[in-house]
Amino acid sequence: EVQLVQSGAEVKKPGESLRISCQGSGYSFTTYWISWVRQTPGKGLEWMGRIDPDDSYTIYNPSFQGHVTISADKSISTAYLQWSSLKASDNAVYYCARHGPTWDYWGQGTLVTVSS
Amino acid sequence: EIVLTQSPGNLSLSPGERATLSCRASQSVSNDFLGWYQQKPGQAPRLLIHGASSRASGIPDRFSGSGSGTDFSLTISRLEPEDFGMYYCQQYGSSPLTFGGGTKVEIK
Repeated sequence: EVQLVQSGAEVKKPGESLRISCQGSGYSFTTYWISWVRQTPGKGLEWMGRIDPDDSYTIYNPSFQGHVTISADKSISTAYLQWSSLKASDNAVYYCARHGPTWDYWGQGTLVTVSS
Repeated sequence: EIVLTQSPGNLSLSPGERATLSCRASQSVSNDFLGWYQQKPGQAPRLLIHGASSRASGIPDRFSGSGSGTDFSLTISRLEPEDFGMYYCQQYGSSPLTFGGGTKVEIK
């Protein structure tokens, strides 16, 4: 059974760093891209970027370039989304999803709360 | 960036009725790479339709997608109570990939 399991909810302060994860199982992790999607009540669903876990080639949405980093460790079938300095505007649920090109499986979501 | 505009914003229908949701793109969607998703509160989006008209695995045949270029639609032929929720379209043919703002389907 294909699964993408994301790390748990996080509560952080502005300026702190954070890395959340997405572990794939039930399929060959390197044969599908992994994308990250942000969901907020105000802006809905936004694609942040995607990575090819085989060679770690990454494409970012210009709206998120420079503010987040997407990476992957194929040896443990895990993709990551990280921030070096969180802002209040990063409050959201973050989803990972596999695709190539069809988007067929999503993680369960990780709630990130940034509050002083 | 391709902007996807979904209409209507809200739809309130009775079980058994037909629902038609629209998704209009600001530019032609490459290869008709247009998907439809259903999302319920607290859950991840679930793929219903890919490639504008292909049903995803396990999706009931009351869901169908049509359209090409800039105009797409999702039809639910006979609404079931479990079909309530938000519906989103997504284009994955051009970067940045984009989503529509959603249609909320309420069951009367």
